[in-house]
Amino acid sequence: LAKTTQPISMDSYEGQEVNITCSHNNIATNDYITWYQQFPSQGPRFIIQGYKTKVTNEVASLFIPADRKSSTLSLPRVSLSDTAVYYCLVGPNSGGYQKVTFGTGTKLQVIP
Amino acid sequence: SAVISQKPSRDICQRGTSLTIQCQVDSQVTMMFWYRQQPGQSLTLIATANQGSEATYESGFVIDKFPISRPNLTFSTLTVSNLSPEDSSIYLCSVEAKIVWTSGGASINEQFFGPGTRLTVL
Repeated sequence: LAKTTQPISMDSYEGQEVNITCSHNNIATNDYITWYQQFPSQGPRFIIQGYKTKVTNEVASLFIPADRKSSTLSLPRVSLSDTAVYYCLVGPNSGGYQKVTFGTGTKLQVIP
Repeated sequence: SAVISQKPSRDICQRGTSLTIQCQVDSQVTMMFWYRQQPGQSLTLIATANQGSEATYESGFVIDKFPISRPNLTFSTLTVSNLSPEDSSIYLCSVEAKIVWTSGGASINEQFFGPGTRLTVL
C-alpha cells in the first residue's frame, strides 16, 4: 500500500474553508484515495473517495491532480463539530476486500 | 451501510489476565478486521478475521497473544491475552461493505468501524 504524508495538525476558525493536503508519491495505477474522519472516542468514519479530478459529496470535496501524487480534502465552512482527526489512505478498490492502512492523520482544531 | 457494536465499551483489567472483545455486525460480511489504537496514535491493523478459517495476522501480532474467533458472518471476538500495561489501548473492529453512491452507479468499498473498546491494564 502506498505511503501517505499529511500535516500532523491544523487550526482553523469557524466558517472558514479548510484544505488538508496529502502526499502519496508512490500511488499505483489501481489505487484510490480515501479520507476518513475520527472523533474522540469513536471509530473512523468514511468521508469521501476518489480516483482522479474532483469528487464532491454533501460533506466534502476531494481534489486530485492529474499526476495523482497528492490530493486535497476540502471542508467548506467548518464548524466546531468538524474538530477531528482526518486520515488520508491510498489503496486498491478492486471489489475485493482490502485491508486499510492508516497513516498518522491530521488533527484539525476548529476555533470559535 | 453496516452498523457495528462492540462489547465491552471499556474495561479495566489486571496484569496477567485476558480480555475478550465481541464485535457484532447487523449484516453478513465476509471479512472483519481488528485494529489497535494506542493513545494519541493512529490505527494499526492487528488481523483479518475470515469466517471458517484462521485469522491472518499482521507483522508484530501473533495468535497466541491475540486469538480471534469468527464463528459466523456477523460476529467475531478478539482476545487480548496475558495482559500487560503496554496493551492499554482502544481496540476496534471494522468491516468492509460495497456502497453504490456515485451518480453514475459506480461502487466503492467503504470500511465501517465499531465504536471501539477502551482497555486499561493496571
